[in-house]
Amino acid sequence: AQKVTQAQTEISVVEKEDVTLDCVYETRDTTYYLFWYKQPPSGELVFLIRRNSFDEQNEISGRYSWNFQKSTSSFNFTITASQVVDSAVYFCALSEVDSSYKLIFGSGTRLLVRP
Amino acid sequence: EAQVTQNPRYLITVTGKKLTVTCSQNMNHEYMSWYRQDPGLGLRQIYYSMNVEVTDKGDVPEGYKVSRKEKRNFPLILESPSPNQTSLYFCASSKQSPNEQFFGPGTRLTVL
Repeated sequence: AQKVTQAQTEISVVEKEDVTLDCVYETRDTTYYLFWYKQPPSGELVFLIRRNSFDEQNEISGRYSWNFQKSTSSFNFTITASQVVDSAVYFCALSEVDSSYKLIFGSGTRLLVRP
Repeated sequence: EAQVTQNPRYLITVTGKKLTVTCSQNMNHEYMSWYRQDPGLGLRQIYYSMNVEVTDKGDVPEGYKVSRKEKRNFPLILESPSPNQTSLYFCASSKQSPNEQFFGPGTRLTVL
């Protein structure tokens, strides 16, 4: 069965520290998609990235980077030189072709960046 | 402006009183979906729709109904709300699944 695990419930760092948010997924599909969303204190959900199962290249976008490793079923998210504005809840999600692309979310990791 | 709108944003109601939460998108997206967000559980999909007149159950459909008569609208209906449906609800749309889903601002529902 499909499942997304974000074992870190809450992380607290000091500004400018690097931080990695872990995401481990379970799926039987060979074709699937992984996502990260950000939910700032204002409550909206902001799309950050989508990655398909055939593309294991790491991705970098400014201070954000993602490490996708099929061998360990992980899709980890790193924020470099964190800032207070990065404080939010971050969700990892999985979408499988065989489940009509139903989106399965992890329970989220709350990141607090202290000044 | 491309957006997903939900109404109402906040609602307090009583057990058993039927209610509808509306969702509308102006991006001509085929795919729409409803989620509920509960502490420690993340977001769970309630229902989704791949296109007009095509809907299907997500992970937690019990107690909810949906319809998709028009492409832009995907209302969520609670025929007889119960306190365990107190939650934060999000509507989302995308051009085609599994593309990026655009989320509405959320509806905070309290059922007393």
